[in-house]
Formats: sequence, structure tokens, C-alpha cells
Amino acid sequence: QKEVEQDPGPLSVPEGAIVSLNCTYSNSAFQYFMWYRQYSRKGPELLMYTYSSGNKEDGRFTAQVDKSSKYISLFIRDSQPSDSATYLCAMSLYGNKLVFGAGTILRVKS
Amino acid sequence: DGGITQSPKYLFRKEGQNVTLSCEQNLNHDAMYWYRQDPGQGLRLIYYSQIVNDFQKGDIAEGYSVSREKKESFPLTVTSAQKNPTAFYLCASKQLASRAGELFFGEGSRLTVL
Repeated sequence: QKEVEQDPGPLSVPEGAIVSLNCTYSNSAFQYFMWYRQYSRKGPELLMYTYSSGNKEDGRFTAQVDKSSKYISLFIRDSQPSDSATYLCAMSLYGNKLVFGAGTILRVKS
Repeated sequence: DGGITQSPKYLFRKEGQNVTLSCEQNLNHDAMYWYRQDPGQGLRLIYYSQIVNDFQKGDIAEGYSVSREKKESFPLTVTSAQKNPTAFYLCASKQLASRAGELFFGEGSRLTVL
């Protein structure tokens, strides 16, 4: 079993839809949870990160962590074609090595 | 602008040749990393370095070598011993003092073995 599981997709949605991207994990010691966005043939860029459980909002993006279920989510409101990318979740212990999910491919159709 | 520069962006290699991928950062980060990305497998750690003149193997170090002679630079050599080198290679860095340990990535180098 992988330490971090992420559905590879692809997930295809119409423009304007609410998108939900998810990861599950097995190590209950993880404290920091991140989401990266990676456009085709580019390096990943950090979207946002959260510490422990709870929600964090940044514009159209909301990150949610449920440590009791070992489940994290990224919601994208009013999705745009420019949101089409691969989304990688990542998590870590305090300052330690990041563990990445395999990434979910998202396609937003105009 | 601060960032991480990887070169070359695309590289072709014949079997049996060693190639070196360059990674330079001007973020003044202490730690630097090399990852390999294959479709459906996510990011796999090759090597990392937290201080000049020191580096550690990651999960898939066989067939690769690195050096860290300067804080800003962390080149990766893909040797002929790497059996399946065709992949997308990503360099990253982070500030060791960061609690979250978030990484900042370069644009990547795509290596194709002919």
C-alpha cells in the first residue's frame, strides 16, 4: 500500500463546475498538507498548504484536511479551462521529506 | 526574479552515454533535491543535499550521481548504469527552517534515450 493514494483521473468537468480533488494517506503523523499544480511539461507550483486539520481558502481554491479520516481535499470553485493541469497532493512531518501522491489529471472543458 | 533554473529543457542521449543535468537556484535555500517523474508514478526522490559538500541517496539513487560544490548548484549526472533513464527530471529546493518543508521546483528537464 502506498503511503499517499491519489486517483489519477483524468477528471473531466465543464467550465464553471466545482471540482473536488482528494488524497488519502496512511501515516497519521503527517502534519503539513500541500497541493501543487503542474501544467504539462512544467514543474509543479505550490498552490497552498495547511497545518493539521481544518480548512484554508485562497480565492477559488479551498483546501480541507480531515486527520481523523486521513483524507484531504482540494476544491476549485467556478473552474476555468486554465485550471486544466495535474494536481499533486503532498504531505510531511515537521520539516521532513515530502511524500507525494501520484497526481490527478484535471480537464476543464469550455 | 528568484527561482530555480534547470537546463537543458530537452536532452537526447544515446545508450551508454553519461549526461549531466544542471540545476541552479538563487533563492538562498539550503536544501536541494532531484526527483524523477514518470507517468502515473508521481515524484520519486533520487538524491538530496542539505549542505554544501554533502548529499544523501533518495529512493531511486542507483545509476545517478550528484555533487554540491556550491550552495546555488546541484547538478545531476545520469550514468550509463541507469537502465531506464527516459523520464522527466525535476530539481527542487527548500529552506531548512521551513516547518512545512514546502518545495519549490524548477521547470524540469526531459531526457530521452535513443
